[in-house]
Amino acid sequence: NAGVTQTPKFQVLKTGQSMTLQCAQDMNHNSMYWYRQDPGMGLRLIYYSASEGTTDKGEVPNGYNVSRLNKREFSLRLESAAPSQTSVYFCASSQSQGADPRANVLTFGAGSRLTVL
Amino acid sequence: QKEVEQNSGPLSVPEGAIASLNCTYSDRGSQSFFWYRQYSGKSPELIMFIYSNGDKEDGRFTAQLNKASQYVSLLIRDSQPSDSATYLCAVNRNGGFKTIFGAGTRLFVKA
Repeated sequence: NAGVTQTPKFQVLKTGQSMTLQCAQDMNHNSMYWYRQDPGMGLRLIYYSASEGTTDKGEVPNGYNVSRLNKREFSLRLESAAPSQTSVYFCASSQSQGADPRANVLTFGAGSRLTVL
Repeated sequence: QKEVEQNSGPLSVPEGAIASLNCTYSDRGSQSFFWYRQYSGKSPELIMFIYSNGDKEDGRFTAQLNKASQYVSLLIRDSQPSDSATYLCAVNRNGGFKTIFGAGTRLFVKA
């Protein structure tokens, strides 16, 4: 099992360019997430998809859009990249949400390092 | 005040010692608490979770939860150099979709 697969692993953009980060999971998880990680800031939730067909804002959604293409795939789009979006992006998935904390355990992809010049 | 706070460290312990990592959270509605380990340049991976007050042990790792004090800790017994990593505390409201992470504590285990 591949788990959670993200592409690309590295990307350099110029200010104003657009790009899409792709994420796919093969664990039949219902929920998917996009986090960004900056030094000293920890992981911050950008957007999440509780289930196929739904998406919601997280802590830092400005400047991003997402698409839950199907149960397996969840993409993150930067329409007009800014230097403040230089970060490491992690896609994650979880079985679902509910009273059982095991359902909330996140499985992460390997990360995508994005630099915006 | 951050929702989840951790001492950024670095915390340095000798090999074989007990490493104690601490975390406080602000949302009293939080019900699930997670510890993830992240090696440099890698993605976070789950160590363990806890949701009841008290201690939970898994091998060399013990998670401790005190909801009244809004405090979670992770103890690593017999620390090994391979335990050197950043440890992330995370909290979640059961049934909620937002798992909130602390900034992490860097741990160095000296051989």
